[in-house]
Amino acid sequence: QITLKESGPTLVKPTQTLTLTCTFSGFSLSTSGVGVGWIRQPPGKALEWLALIYWDDDKRYSPSLKSRLTITKDTSKNQVVLTMANMDPVDTATYYCAHRHLAAPFDYWGQGTLVTVSS
Amino acid sequence: EIVLTQSPGTLSLSPGERATLSCRASQSVSSSHLAWYQQKPGQAPRLLIYGASSRATGIPDRFSGSESGTDFTLTISRLEPEDFAVFYCQQYGRSPYTFGQGTKLEIK
Repeated sequence: QITLKESGPTLVKPTQTLTLTCTFSGFSLSTSGVGVGWIRQPPGKALEWLALIYWDDDKRYSPSLKSRLTITKDTSKNQVVLTMANMDPVDTATYYCAHRHLAAPFDYWGQGTLVTVSS
Repeated sequence: EIVLTQSPGTLSLSPGERATLSCRASQSVSSSHLAWYQQKPGQAPRLLIYGASSRATGIPDRFSGSESGTDFTLTISRLEPEDFAVFYCQQYGRSPYTFGQGTKLEIK
């Protein structure tokens, strides 16, 4: 049974760096073809893909946010960490992590965590 | 970057009716790597369709997907009360793995 759960601060100040952790179970990020991605959703708005890391440490980023994002994995802890620098109120959103395998879409999602950016 | 444009923005229908949702890609989607998700308020998205036309595990057969070139369609043959939600398409074949802006399916 695959599960994912996001954790991190619920409130950050403008210009701060956000660090989110996705802790998962039921699969390993050392298995060929496996990836974990991050997606966010501002309140009342659409989904936006942010970043993805694969089992072989290949990393992909949204071009519009690439300069602010870093994605890393800790295979031994079954965790993926996303950092986003220079947070702004427009970054207020629910942040989700999700699993994908090979050429499949995101088939398992975490429950999401709401991050508010405010001074 | 592949831009996905969904239409209509809102669709108002009654239970028992047929729903047709559209997703148009700005360029070819590699290997039909187009997915549909359903999202209900306060919940994470749920995968419905992958590969443009294959149902994900546990998805009822009233949900179907099709493609014609860069146009993709999600059809719900006979709406059940639990089907009303927001639906998103996503292309997952080429980074960045973009989403459409969503279609809200509401009860008429």
